[in-house]
Amino acid sequence: DIQMTQSPSTLSASVGDRVTITCRASQSIGSWLAWYQQKPGKAPKLLIYKASSLESGVPSRFSGSGSGTEFTLTISSLQPDDFATYYCQQYNSYWTFGQGTKVEIK
Amino acid sequence: QVQLQESGPGLVKPSETLSLTCTVSGGSISSYYWSWIRQPPGKGLEWIGYINYSGSTIYNPSLKSRVTMSVDTSKNQFSLKLNSVTAADTAVYYCARHHTSGTYLYHFDYWGQGTLVTVSS
Repeated sequence: DIQMTQSPSTLSASVGDRVTITCRASQSIGSWLAWYQQKPGKAPKLLIYKASSLESGVPSRFSGSGSGTEFTLTISSLQPDDFATYYCQQYNSYWTFGQGTKVEIK
Repeated sequence: QVQLQESGPGLVKPSETLSLTCTVSGGSISSYYWSWIRQPPGKGLEWIGYINYSGSTIYNPSLKSRVTMSVDTSKNQFSLKLNSVTAADTAVYYCARHHTSGTYLYHFDYWGQGTLVTVSS
């Protein structure tokens, strides 16, 4: 099994802040990584796929980087609509998710 | 715009079988692969398994012994059965579409809204 570990688990930030979330894989997954945003009571929403490709319709303040075992999701200027939980997900071997990072208002 | 909608009982008794159906609208179920994913209350996401339009399946090894998936292309639906359920199977169950290229499966690009299934007597 490929394990995905996100850090931090919770992040307190203010509107306008630059936010970075890290995701580490237990073994190399190439660039087969996606990032999702989930709001309470809603399904996850795809933000980034193949580590750094922005899904159509997703604001450009979201970006992804990394390869192999270490990946990051960056929000360049946090907006009120961005307070949510973010999950990374590998699809190199089956499909497994990180435990999530909750971005909350500071 | 592709839409997915889960349906099925919201309450299942311990040791019984959980049954859910996902109805796909706005697009054909053919040429794609479709997964079930679950999320226990307040916890993370777990992939359960996938099925394609011809009925080929792959299940999460941790659930394989209890899972069966099926597809009905005439109704544009696919289904999940999970047997011998316990309280640990209480979760929101999502159906989702894989971004697919030939037989290569990638991330999930469309999701249903999810349905809460509670296992309790």
